[in-house]
Amino acid sequence: EIVLTQSPATLSLSPGERATLSCRASQSVSSYLAWYQQKPGQAPRLIIYDASNRATGIPARFSGSGYGTDFTLTISSLEPEDFAVYYCQQRNNWLTFGGGTRVEIK
Amino acid sequence: QVQLQESGPGLVKPSETLSLTCTVSGGSVSSGTYYWAWIRQTPGKGLEWIGSISKSGSTYYNASLKTRVTISVDTSKNEFSLNLSSVTAADTAVYYCARQEMSYFESWGQGSLVSVSS
Repeated sequence: EIVLTQSPATLSLSPGERATLSCRASQSVSSYLAWYQQKPGQAPRLIIYDASNRATGIPARFSGSGYGTDFTLTISSLEPEDFAVYYCQQRNNWLTFGGGTRVEIK
Repeated sequence: QVQLQESGPGLVKPSETLSLTCTVSGGSVSSGTYYWAWIRQTPGKGLEWIGSISKSGSTYYNASLKTRVTISVDTSKNEFSLNLSSVTAADTAVYYCARQEMSYFESWGQGSLVSVSS
C-alpha cells in the first residue's frame, strides 16, 4: 500500500497569504495524484487531479505540482472560503488518501 | 449535475451487516465510463476507500476490507449499494458514496454516519 504523508498538519495563515501544502508518497505515483478540499460537515471536493489539473469550477488561485513522490498544492492568495482541510489521494496503486492538512485562520 | 444520496440505518449492532444504498439523480449509473465508489471517514484513520463498481458490475475492493465487503449496482433503480459484514466498533464512520472518474472521486454524496454499538 502506498502511504501518503501530508505536511504540515496545520497551517495558520491570514487571508491574502500564500499557502503551500505538501504531500509525499512512500513510492512513486507518477502524476496520479489528486487534491481535495473538505469543509466542516461537508464531503470532500475534488480540486486538482493528475497532479496539476484543476477540476471543473476550481479557481485559478489553486495550483498543483509535482511528480513521483513529492507534490505541492499552492493557494496563491487565500480567500476566506479556502480555510478548510485538504487531502491528497493517489491512484497509481489502488486508492489511498493522505492524513490531511488543516488550513486555519491565523 | 449529478447528485448522490446515501441512505440506510444509522446504528448497526456488532457482528451484523452494515447496509447502505446510494441513489443517483441527475445522471445515470449506466452512462459513461464512470465507476461508483464507497469511501468512509473516521477521526482516527481519516479517509479510506472501500471499493468501487462499474455499470456492468465489475468490482474492486480495498484489500484490507475485501473479505467483508460487497458492492452491487441496480441500474433499474439508478442506485448502488454497500454491504459490510461482521462489523465492529472500528467500522463506525461517516460513509460516502461517490462517482469515480479516472480513479478520482469527482462527485460525492453528503455522507451518512453509521455507528456500530449494541
